[in-house]
Amino acid sequence: KQEVTQIPAALSVPEGENLVLNCSFTDSAIYNLQWFRQDPGKGLTSLLLIQSSQREQTSGRLNASLDKSSGRSTLYIAASQPGDSATYLCAVRWNFNKFYFGSGTKLNVKP
Amino acid sequence: GAVVSQHPSRVICKSGTSVKIECRSLDFQATTMFWYRQFPKKSLMLMATSNEGSKATYEQGVEKDKFLINHASLTLSTLTVTSAHPEDSSFYICSASLIMNTEAFFGQGTRLTVV
Repeated sequence: KQEVTQIPAALSVPEGENLVLNCSFTDSAIYNLQWFRQDPGKGLTSLLLIQSSQREQTSGRLNASLDKSSGRSTLYIAASQPGDSATYLCAVRWNFNKFYFGSGTKLNVKP
Repeated sequence: GAVVSQHPSRVICKSGTSVKIECRSLDFQATTMFWYRQFPKKSLMLMATSNEGSKATYEQGVEKDKFLINHASLTLSTLTVTSAHPEDSSFYICSASLIMNTEAFFGQGTRLTVV
């Protein structure tokens, strides 16, 4: 069964801290993995896309890594800011018709 | 990135009525779009895959007669919640990709409340 798990479910950190969000998946034969941000009551904003052949992707203060053999991806956020507060979702695509989402990590960055 | 527009963003309807939600790809053509549902404090669950010019493919447990999907053109898919009940109240989001291995772009979501 293909499943995506995210831990922790919630995280609260002071402003300026570096932090890591974790995503694990059950089947290593993925097409790609995508990290999203969701603000309360809003849609999804794509942050980073990692293809199955890639090990990491970077955008600004965000860095996402992928280790297919262990079924893991991490999202690293450097120098966190209050504006980073949101729910972060990891989604894995095993085939074109299926995009499985984790349950998300709700991040609160305190000023 | 590409833009997917969803309308309306919020809708309140009476129990027993039908509601239509539109999903448009504004600057690209999408032969396939996806509809998701999100329960409070839960993640997104795929409801169905919308295919341009053909019938939608529904996930197990999703009532196709209740959630009607039409993908009439390469830029528009619609989800109609028929005979809505309070338990249909949820957040519905659509997405589309250019091709298989590219980013998926999501609409802004529609908050449906059935009273």
